[in-house]
Amino acid sequence: QVQLVQSGAEVKKPGASVKVSCKTSGYTFTDHYVHWVRQAPGQGLEWMGWINPNNGYTNFAQKFQGWVTLTRDTSISTAYMELSSLKSDDTAVYYCARDLGYSCYGCDALDVWGQGTMVSVSS
Amino acid sequence: QSVLTQPPSLSGAPGQRVTISCTGSTSNIGAGYDVYWYQHLPGTAPKLIIYGNSNRPLGVPERFSGSKSGTSASLAITGLQAEDEADYYCQSYESSLSGSGVFGTGTKVTVL
Repeated sequence: QVQLVQSGAEVKKPGASVKVSCKTSGYTFTDHYVHWVRQAPGQGLEWMGWINPNNGYTNFAQKFQGWVTLTRDTSISTAYMELSSLKSDDTAVYYCARDLGYSCYGCDALDVWGQGTMVSVSS
Repeated sequence: QSVLTQPPSLSGAPGQRVTISCTGSTSNIGAGYDVYWYQHLPGTAPKLIIYGNSNRPLGVPERFSGSKSGTSASLAITGLQAEDEADYYCQSYESSLSGSGVFGTGTKVTVL
């Protein structure tokens, strides 16, 4: 079955960077965009951006442009999200999710989600 | 700051019907983008329950239904059950932000 499995929890100091992986299986990796979404404690879901695994093209929410990097390794069907210059309010659970890609590429439903990765930023 | 507005909370007794609204604008829902709905239980990943405004993925109970009209959408849960107690989010895309995704503010549904 389709699965997205993320890397484990991270604890970082302010100013550091973090890289979260999202290993996919059960489908052709390059056929579906991968989105990233986060949820800070007590807050709602926040869309961060997507990557087209076929060509590496990315699209970001305005607030994440310039300090979030999305990459992929097609040889191991894995997407990555790297956040730099971390601040305490970047403490959140970060999710990767597959774009359904049925009616629209990069603008469709998020039909399968990773289990989430907790990133804690504290001095 | 979310551009899709939902009521913060709703409640209902088992068996009742609750409807969650999702209010957008002419640059997202009104621009022709579909609306999606997710159920989110604490400590778990969000689960897609409605796609393409009104379609249910395989395995989602028929008591969940979605609709869209103009710049708004809604999710109805009929025959409310205890296991429906969760946070619900609508989601769409924003033409004024280069097709960026946008989530609703979220609605906590409590089963009395």
